[in-house]
Amino acid sequence: DTGVSQNPRHKITKRGQNVTFRCDPISEHNRLYWYRQTLGQGPEFLTYFQNEAQLEKSRLLSDRFSAERPKGSFSTLEIQRTEQGDSAMYLCASSSMGVTNSPLHFGNGTRLTVT
Amino acid sequence: GQQLNQSPQSMFIQEGEDVSMNCTSSSIFNTWLWYKQDPGEGPVLLIALYKAGELTSNGRLTAQFGITRKDSFLNISASIPSDVGIYFCAGPREYGGSQGNLIFGKGTKLSVKP
Repeated sequence: DTGVSQNPRHKITKRGQNVTFRCDPISEHNRLYWYRQTLGQGPEFLTYFQNEAQLEKSRLLSDRFSAERPKGSFSTLEIQRTEQGDSAMYLCASSSMGVTNSPLHFGNGTRLTVT
Repeated sequence: GQQLNQSPQSMFIQEGEDVSMNCTSSSIFNTWLWYKQDPGEGPVLLIALYKAGELTSNGRLTAQFGITRKDSFLNISASIPSDVGIYFCAGPREYGGSQGNLIFGKGTKLSVKP
């Protein structure tokens, strides 16, 4: 069990560019979550996958954001036409559907800075 | 909507001191979770509480699920330097969605007294 892995750890981009982040969950976990965390705040839920199906999306996930989990394993989060307000830490978490009250295991995040 | 209010926002600790922080809400939560986040890392689950009145310990940490289901506290006994970090309370959003769709408080930041 190597934990939840996120890449890259840091990303600096210019406003208007597209960025993509990757998350590799714990291998036996079929539930995957994306959260966003801004400075001085707790994480905020963005979206949830059960296997390859995207079952929940927050209103925070504007139409510039898209997430995929094509084979039910790793996931990608893409932000198109980035804005300065997108600067944040993007956290991925996973859990197991087969375990009651399975806790979320978070990765160490991708810190995005939009200049 | 549901919100979690944590207090204090920040506190300074001296090694060996006991620490207490709490989390309140105007809404009922059926699960209370306490996470710790170190700089540059993701949150790590410390304690999970599933039943009103439940008191659970994890080493030097003790947390309680309030009887009203609207509050929880976390105590750290005999603090050590590695306790420094940000502590978050969290609970599942109540509308019946995924248990992993969590609401987090804004955190209590623990620092070492200069």
